[in-house]
Amino acid sequence: GAGVSQSPRYKVAKRGQDVALRCDPISGHVSLFWYQQALGQGPEFLTYFQNEAQLDKSGLPSDRFFAERPEGSVSTLKIQRTQQEDSAVYLCASSLVDRGLSGYTFGSGTRLTVV
Amino acid sequence: DQQVKQNSPSLSVQEGRISILNCDYTNSMFDYFLWYKKYPAEGPTFLISISSIKDKNEDGRFTVFLNKSAKHLSLHIVPSQPGDSAVYFCAASAMVGGAQKLVFGQGTRLTINP
Repeated sequence: GAGVSQSPRYKVAKRGQDVALRCDPISGHVSLFWYQQALGQGPEFLTYFQNEAQLDKSGLPSDRFFAERPEGSVSTLKIQRTQQEDSAVYLCASSLVDRGLSGYTFGSGTRLTVV
Repeated sequence: DQQVKQNSPSLSVQEGRISILNCDYTNSMFDYFLWYKKYPAEGPTFLISISSIKDKNEDGRFTVFLNKSAKHLSLHIVPSQPGDSAVYFCAASAMVGGAQKLVFGQGTRLTINP
């Protein structure tokens, strides 16, 4: 597609429920990133894939968070046993090459609300 | 530990005047600095960037200045237009584990008044 697509756009989950957030990167983009943006804050790095390999997951806040990209294209961020502090916008970004000057292309995000 | 800080949560500027958004950082290892613009319900959009070996980069109405000794960068928008009203994020990047990982500031909400 023309841009990075994320679904769903909005998700309300009851505390303790598992959720799965999907990211469709731009076709051919090798690098894929997940960021978490809490209300009133800037995005914070969660994890990074190069093709299907998860090269960095240092930003995942707990072992309840899990990300995968099995075929090197679509990625899923899964949160198990959601807590209220997981409420945030989850942003996915992809890039063709790792060049700081070009930055990434971000999707519109999934707003997760845990009640 | 906030490595990138935007100390002004909001800024209001009259249309046609200059908007100056500021950003401070603490990590000397950052090699690129970027500005993103974000409208409500959309993802951040890349605006302009600068390499750590430069002190200025200009693109149309947008200019980014980098002062490495002060660990400070700023974005100048001149002249400001109503469509520039958005949240602006400063970000710094460093190559970690084979990827340019971004560290963002908290954002500054810019409002351009007609």
